[in-house]
Amino acid sequence: DTEVTQTPKHLVMGMTNKKSLKCEQHMGHRAMYWYKQKAKKPPELMFVYSYEKLSINESVPSRFSPECPNSSLLNLHLHALQPEDSALYLCASSTRRGEGTNEKLFFGSGTQLSVL
Amino acid sequence: QKEVEQDPGPLSVPEGAIVSLNCTYSNSAFQYFMWYRQYSRKGPELLMYTYSSGNKEDGRFTAQVDKSSKYISLFIRDSQPSDSATYLCAMSDSGGGADGLTFGKGTHLIIQP
Repeated sequence: DTEVTQTPKHLVMGMTNKKSLKCEQHMGHRAMYWYKQKAKKPPELMFVYSYEKLSINESVPSRFSPECPNSSLLNLHLHALQPEDSALYLCASSTRRGEGTNEKLFFGSGTQLSVL
Repeated sequence: QKEVEQDPGPLSVPEGAIVSLNCTYSNSAFQYFMWYRQYSRKGPELLMYTYSSGNKEDGRFTAQVDKSSKYISLFIRDSQPSDSATYLCAMSDSGGGADGLTFGKGTHLIIQP
């Protein structure tokens, strides 16, 4: 009952391609996250949707664009990526019952992205 | 000064040994402390979750938090080869908003059969 599903598991794309990563959770969580993880590094927060409100890490380039169609789905749209964007992209969700509380974060298995 | 310090290892121990993994931190606002296990090219899996100081035990795993020393630990008893993975500590404060988690770099653990 702690499952966060990400598709695809692997993605290879050229620098001129447009692709999307998808994430789905059915735990009733109201916060969903995108993290980026390079090899042998910890995950880095990219975006958060909490109660359908988006918060952005200002250092994330505009070639990454998140979308939250509803509270169970989260997409990450990719356009004109660079080879240095190759990484494991992780989706996560948490209950985030409201301001001042913090709940457990559950991760998906990730999408291994390679940009050629 | 980094917010969370964690020895990256690798840490190699024989099967059956007790493993001790540690993190130190500088932000006194952190109140929620977590340990994640991550296998190669997989997402992190939540192992232990602790609020404020104290101990928490779950099977072979024990998490300890000492807020006065800004020091957290994860102990693994009767270690198994399947415990070989990278262990990430993570923490957050109680503030609202899009804060996510602050992670340590992760310790690569190898359990030798």
